[in-house]
Amino acid sequence: KAGVTQTPRYLIKTRGQQVTLSCSPISGHRSVSWYQQTPGQGLQFLFEYFSETQRNKGNFPGRFSGRQFSNSRSEMNVSTLELGDSALYLCASSLSGVEQYFGPGTRLTVT
Amino acid sequence: KQEVTQIPAALSVPEGENLVLNCSFTDSAIYNLQWFRQDPGKGLTSLLLIQSSQREQTSGRLNASLDKSSGRSTLYIAASQPGDSATYLCAGGVGGYQKVTFGTGTKLQVIP
Repeated sequence: KAGVTQTPRYLIKTRGQQVTLSCSPISGHRSVSWYQQTPGQGLQFLFEYFSETQRNKGNFPGRFSGRQFSNSRSEMNVSTLELGDSALYLCASSLSGVEQYFGPGTRLTVT
Repeated sequence: KQEVTQIPAALSVPEGENLVLNCSFTDSAIYNLQWFRQDPGKGLTSLLLIQSSQREQTSGRLNASLDKSSGRSTLYIAASQPGDSATYLCAGGVGGYQKVTFGTGTKLQVIP
């Protein structure tokens, strides 16, 4: 069974631009969660989707948004990028919303 | 608000040693606790999941326990190997729908 895939793996953007990251969960998993990982703040929860509905949301500004499609694939969008948005963005999928399996991440650099 | 702390932040041990990594959380209503390892620049690999009704889980040389009353989980690694070198993270989920809080991690180095 294929694992969680994230595209792209690396991305360089400039301040003010917007970016869209994609996550394909393990086949059959309906829950997708997104996290931001930085050296200073560690791993922080962004949001979780289950069957196209956002069930949980972390404490991030409205510039961070996401969605989930009917095939469980999920996208995360960050608008008006700031230097502080440079991070590793990780996606995790889960069958029941409990045990999570992570993708390799997307490394975003904002210049 | 759930806070998860991991001590120590870094640990260096000689190969073959048994070791314990600690994870403390503030909300005893924790639903489950999952241990991960992360290699530099990579995603997280799930090691063990302890669900609400369980107290411990074992996989090979790894054993994790959960004590909700004391707000602690430990990950025991037996006979450590250089390949165990990584950052170990614990993550606690609260509530039926998982709002997960990660610990700060313990960076482990096993010296050959």
